[in-house]
Amino acid sequence: DAGVTQSPTHLIKTRGQQVTLRCSPKSGHDTVSWYQQALGQGPQFIFQYYEEEERQRGNFPDRFSGHQFPNYSSELNVNALLLGDSALYLCASSSRKRNQPQHFGDGTRLSIL
Amino acid sequence: AQTVTQSQPEMSVQEAETVTLSCTYDTSENNYYLFWYKQPPSRQMILVIRQEAYKQQNATENRFSVNFQKAAKSFSLKISDSQLGDTAMYFCAFIIYGQNFVFGPGTRLSVLP
Repeated sequence: DAGVTQSPTHLIKTRGQQVTLRCSPKSGHDTVSWYQQALGQGPQFIFQYYEEEERQRGNFPDRFSGHQFPNYSSELNVNALLLGDSALYLCASSSRKRNQPQHFGDGTRLSIL
Repeated sequence: AQTVTQSQPEMSVQEAETVTLSCTYDTSENNYYLFWYKQPPSRQMILVIRQEAYKQQNATENRFSVNFQKAAKSFSLKISDSQLGDTAMYFCAFIIYGQNFVFGPGTRLSVLP
């Protein structure tokens, strides 16, 4: 039973570029949440997707957008990259029907030059 | 605002000894869940222990146990018989059902041989 998988594991971009990160949830999970973890800090909630719609959003600008597909996988898109966007981006999945903690992927390390 | 505070940025403990990591949180909700996650350098977030706020009995998981004081909004983690593999960042977090994690800033624990 595969857990949460994220791709790529590491990405290098320059300021102003756009990036897309991908996440496949754990089998049986239908909800995907994205978190940004800056170096030396705790993860910060970006947004959550369920039934292909954004259901909740944290305090992040519109440059951060996402999508969920019918197979429950999800993408995180960031436009007009800034140096401050350098971070580990974590995806977590869960099931709406079951009262279980979210399962985290290994994350994508995004470096902005 | 919902917040989590971890007042110890770094801690160290000798192998086989006991260490306690502190955590306080703030929420006006009555039903929530509390967690301790471990994040080794491999960066995967690993669930250590979980506590439902409605349960008075403190959760235990092998060498890990918590001291949950709901009125004081305190949730400390005790690690007994510390092992070298316990070296990691430890994050305290809570989640209100249907919402998303609020994480603390983390405590870096080093287990010394």
